[in-house]
Amino acid sequence: QAQLRQWGAGLLKPSETLSLTCAVYGGSFSGYYWGWIRQPPGKGLEWIGEINHGGSTNYNTSLKSRVTILIDTSKNQFSLILTSVTAADTAVYYCARGWGRAIWGQGTMVTVSS
Amino acid sequence: DIVMTQSPDSLAVSLGERATINCKSSQSLLYSSNNKNYLGWYQQKPGQPPKVLIYWASTRESGVPDRFSGSGSGTDFTLTISSLQAEDVAVYYCQQYYDPPRTFGQGTKLEIK
Repeated sequence: QAQLRQWGAGLLKPSETLSLTCAVYGGSFSGYYWGWIRQPPGKGLEWIGEINHGGSTNYNTSLKSRVTILIDTSKNQFSLILTSVTAADTAVYYCARGWGRAIWGQGTMVTVSS
Repeated sequence: DIVMTQSPDSLAVSLGERATINCKSSQSLLYSSNNKNYLGWYQQKPGQPPKVLIYWASTRESGVPDRFSGSGSGTDFTLTISSLQAEDVAVYYCQQYYDPPRTFGQGTKLEIK
């Protein structure tokens, strides 16, 4: 059974760049979409985007101008980059493998505050 | 984008009673080539990532109690808990994975009456 472990900076100032990485342990790295989801405090789940093994990406329409998802198949890792963050980007960020029968990371709390 | 709408937003049910959560999509999630509905249900408890309950609209994930069931097709789906247990208190989300962006419903908070 695959496991996802994620890490990245937890405190950012407005206008800085958020960068999170998710490493995949066990299971196949190919044949899946690898995605990011976030959840502001006390609110629902928001899908951010996804990437497949070949590097093809899809992004949330509302975040598209600020989001980049990258994949490093040699390390079985994928990353989220979100530029020009504001307080509205404060959330728990999750990485995930696939959809439907998804496997989720443990989540990383990211706070944007001056 | 496909819009997912859950109802109700919150629900209080007595222990042992049935709980029903609905999810409606703005377009069909049924893929005709394989006759599968690209709809999943998640359970989320405080401080935890969402847990998969149901995928393909009605397939129960391994280890999920059989009191949880999913039904529906096309644009209308239902998650049913046949006999509510105390440990089922959580927020429940549906998600479509038919097309990107793979949108979620707004969530339904389930409590004990």
